[in-house]
Amino acid sequence: GQNIDQPTEMTATEGAIVQINCTYQTSGFNGLFWYQQHAGEAPTFLSYNVLDGLEEKGRFSSFLSRSKGYSYLLLKELQMKDSASYLCAPLDSNYQLIWGAGTKLIIKP
Amino acid sequence: SQTIHQWPATLVQPVGSPLSLECTVEGTSNPNLYWYRQAAGRGLQLLFYSVGIGQISSEVPQNLSASRPQDRQFILSSKKLLLSDSGFYLCAWREGGREIGELFFGEGSRLTVL
Repeated sequence: GQNIDQPTEMTATEGAIVQINCTYQTSGFNGLFWYQQHAGEAPTFLSYNVLDGLEEKGRFSSFLSRSKGYSYLLLKELQMKDSASYLCAPLDSNYQLIWGAGTKLIIKP
Repeated sequence: SQTIHQWPATLVQPVGSPLSLECTVEGTSNPNLYWYRQAAGRGLQLLFYSVGIGQISSEVPQNLSASRPQDRQFILSSKKLLLSDSGFYLCAWREGGREIGELFFGEGSRLTVL
């Protein structure tokens, strides 16, 4: 079956760094997306990885290891507005996104 | 630029009543369109997707249906709502002809069935 595993909730301090991990098992693999979702709002795109390694985009970076079925999202210089849920979503062999339940990130001052 | 809108944003409906959620996309043609449902604490569940007018694929058997009467219009319907239909419904689009691409979401519709 297809399965996504992310921590349910994480807490971090403003200005710090946090890493949100995601492990996945899918039928085929065509890359992995990370989305940010603020409470009560729609998800917005953060990153897409299809090859192994680290993709950096400003304060956010995303890493992928296809052999391990593992990805992480790294957020640096945390700001209060980063309080949100972060959704890991690999793309399966049918090019459908398989969504995790998301990690709720709480930023404290 | 492309935009996506869905409505209504919030609705409270009694069990057994009908439902109609509407989604429109502007600024693109022949998009792939999707309806998702998000229950509290769970991942997005794909309900329907469409690659063209009148073409609907259903991912989950349920009492919901979808239609695409025009290229950039996607409608989610039910004849009789169940309590379990409560949730946050999201319409999304992806550029047509691209199997790999970013999904763009509408604002969401929060449905409460009482």
